[in-house]
Amino acid sequence: AQTVTQSQPEMSVQEAETVTLSCTYDTSENNYYLFWYKQPPSRQMILVIRQEAYKQQNATENRFSVNFQKAAKSFSLKISDSQLGDTAMYFCAFGPLFGTGTRLKVLA
Amino acid sequence: ETGVTQTPRHLVMGMTNKKSLKCEQHLGHNAMYWYKQSAKKPLELMFVYNFKEQTENNSVPSRFSPECPNSSHLFLHLHTLQPEDSALYLCASSQGLLERRVTYNEQFFGPGTRLTVL
Repeated sequence: AQTVTQSQPEMSVQEAETVTLSCTYDTSENNYYLFWYKQPPSRQMILVIRQEAYKQQNATENRFSVNFQKAAKSFSLKISDSQLGDTAMYFCAFGPLFGTGTRLKVLA
Repeated sequence: ETGVTQTPRHLVMGMTNKKSLKCEQHLGHNAMYWYKQSAKKPLELMFVYNFKEQTENNSVPSRFSPECPNSSHLFLHLHTLQPEDSALYLCASSQGLLERRVTYNEQFFGPGTRLTVL
């Protein structure tokens, strides 16, 4: 069975600094997508970034990038130049299976 | 605006009531999902429909009954709920799945229905 693990319940970062959120997963499948979603206080869940497992190149989306290590089944999210609007819950997802989330607070 | 709407946004019901949650997507997707989000278990996948066929039922109690009449609409019928069923219920949609459990695409979420069971 697939599992998704986020071991950091809460994190904080100073505005303009960089922060990395961790995620590990387990699967026997070879072709799959991984996602990071953001859920701000409004509770509206939105996609931040996605990674296709067959692509070796790490996905990037503006200030957001991932470090995808397929053999290690690791999928971390790096947020550069953190902004106050980045304050939210961040969920790592293997398809429709979500981790428990990391609550990120960006400090002014 | 994600293209996925949910009604009602808030619902308060007694344990003996029957109510329904509605989800509609305007994205041309063929897969739709129900999730339960509560403080104790952040995000639980409840049901998955792919091309109107139910493909996932994660041991959800029978007091929750899903219905997917077409690829654009998804309902969650509720009856004789318990107080522990109080939660945020999220609906999502994605591109249809070519094969079951293979290459799930990114999901677009609705704003959720906040359910309180008294």
